[in-house]
Amino acid sequence: DADVTQTPRNRITKTGKRIMLECSQTKGHDRMYWYRQDPGLGLRLIYYSFDVKDINKGEISDGYSVSRQAQAKFSLSLESAIPNQTALYFCATSDSGTEQYFGPGTRLTVT
Amino acid sequence: AQSVTQLDSQVPVFEEAPVELRCNYSSSVSVYLFWYVQYPNQGLQLLLKYLSGSTLVKGINGFEAEFNKSQTSFHLRKPSVHISDTAEYFCAVTSWGTSYGKLTFGQGTILTVHP
Repeated sequence: DADVTQTPRNRITKTGKRIMLECSQTKGHDRMYWYRQDPGLGLRLIYYSFDVKDINKGEISDGYSVSRQAQAKFSLSLESAIPNQTALYFCATSDSGTEQYFGPGTRLTVT
Repeated sequence: AQSVTQLDSQVPVFEEAPVELRCNYSSSVSVYLFWYVQYPNQGLQLLLKYLSGSTLVKGINGFEAEFNKSQTSFHLRKPSVHISDTAEYFCAVTSWGTSYGKLTFGQGTILTVHP
């Protein structure tokens, strides 16, 4: 089984809908991250959490919120989806604060 | 603040030729540097990392990179590429201080290996 899993893997939704992307990990890491990937822009950090009670905004947090339900679970929500949130979303984990381990990604399309 | 610039958005190369993917970083404090690879329709996989010590770092699949502090560079090299190396490659940095534990990625370089 994969160490970092993301659900769903693909999602198409309409403008204005609320959507949640989920991330689970079995690596036992305290640190978890959400990124979005856009062509030509690389990966940009949306939110990160260094432990269950710690939530921090990344460089592009507007329009997003997160919940750290447990050490192993970190969810990303789009309260009211808009087309420019169409992207590939990655969850990652880390124990040391250096190397990060990535999930397989969720491809989100907002129409 | 930390930043990363990958100098080439696309690099085409023929099979068995050498390749270099260029990465420059900016940070006012000590850094840790990484190269990740993303194969089509997959997540990111770590190729190699520089944390400290020898400036020449060897990674998986025959790749290596050299940390050059004076030039603030961390270029990725492979002496002979294969078709299977076709992928997108990302350089990333984290540094001491307020940015510790947060990776900043470059824009990515698409490596295409032709037969």
